[in-house]
Amino acid sequence: GESVGLHLPTLSVQEGDNSIINCAYSNSASDYFIWYKQESGKGPQFIIDIRSNMDKRQGQRVTVLLNKTVKHLSLQIAATQPGDSAVYFCAENYVYSGGGADGLTFGKGTHLIIQP
Amino acid sequence: DGGITQSPKYLFRKEGQNVTLSCEQNLNHDAMYWYRQDPGQGLRLIYYSQIVNDFQKGDIAEGYSVSREKKESFPLTVTSAQKNPTAFYLCASSIWTGGDQPQHFGDGTRLSIL
Repeated sequence: GESVGLHLPTLSVQEGDNSIINCAYSNSASDYFIWYKQESGKGPQFIIDIRSNMDKRQGQRVTVLLNKTVKHLSLQIAATQPGDSAVYFCAENYVYSGGGADGLTFGKGTHLIIQP
Repeated sequence: DGGITQSPKYLFRKEGQNVTLSCEQNLNHDAMYWYRQDPGQGLRLIYYSQIVNDFQKGDIAEGYSVSREKKESFPLTVTSAQKNPTAFYLCASSIWTGGDQPQHFGDGTRLSIL
C-alpha cells in the first residue's frame, strides 16, 4: 500500500523564527492533502488543506506548499509561538481496501519544539 | 458548539473484559471513523461507517467491534480478543466518506490494561 512519511521526527526552533515541516508522499495519484496539529493528550486539529491543482495555499500564519514533481508537501509556520508546540502530521487521500470508499491515510508526525 | 465528543477520557480494562468507547457527533456528518494511535506511529484505521447501519473493517479490525444505529453515534467495543489494547483511540467524522475533505477528530480515549 501507499504511505505518507515525514523527513524528521523532531524539529526544534527558536520562538519567533519560521518553522518548516516536511512530508513525503509516495502515491502519485493522490490529489488532496491535509496538515493536522496534535497537542499532547488531544485529538488532531485541522490546520490547512490543499488540492493537487494548487502549488501553494496560505492560512493564518501558515502556508502549505505542494511539489507534485517530487511528491513533497511542506508546512510553513511564520513567527513560531510557544503555542505551536505540538506534533504535526500530514495526510493524503486513500482508497480503503474494505468497502472501496475513499478516506485519508496519515503520516507518523513531526514533533515541533519551541525554544525560548 | 458542534463537534465530536469521546468518553471516557481514560479507561482501564481487566483481563478478559470487553470495554466500550463512546463517540458522539453533532456535526450532522454521515461518515465516522475509529483510529488507534500508538507512540511514534501514525493513525491506523480500525473501522469506518459511511452511513447509518453500515460499517466496514479498516486495517486493524481484529479484536474490535462497532455499531452504527444512529447517525450521531459510533461506539467502539474493544473485546477480550484484542491482546494489546493499550493505546490512544480517536474517533473522527466527515461529511461523507471521500478523499477530498478533512476528517474532524474528538479528543480521544486512552485505554490501559489493569
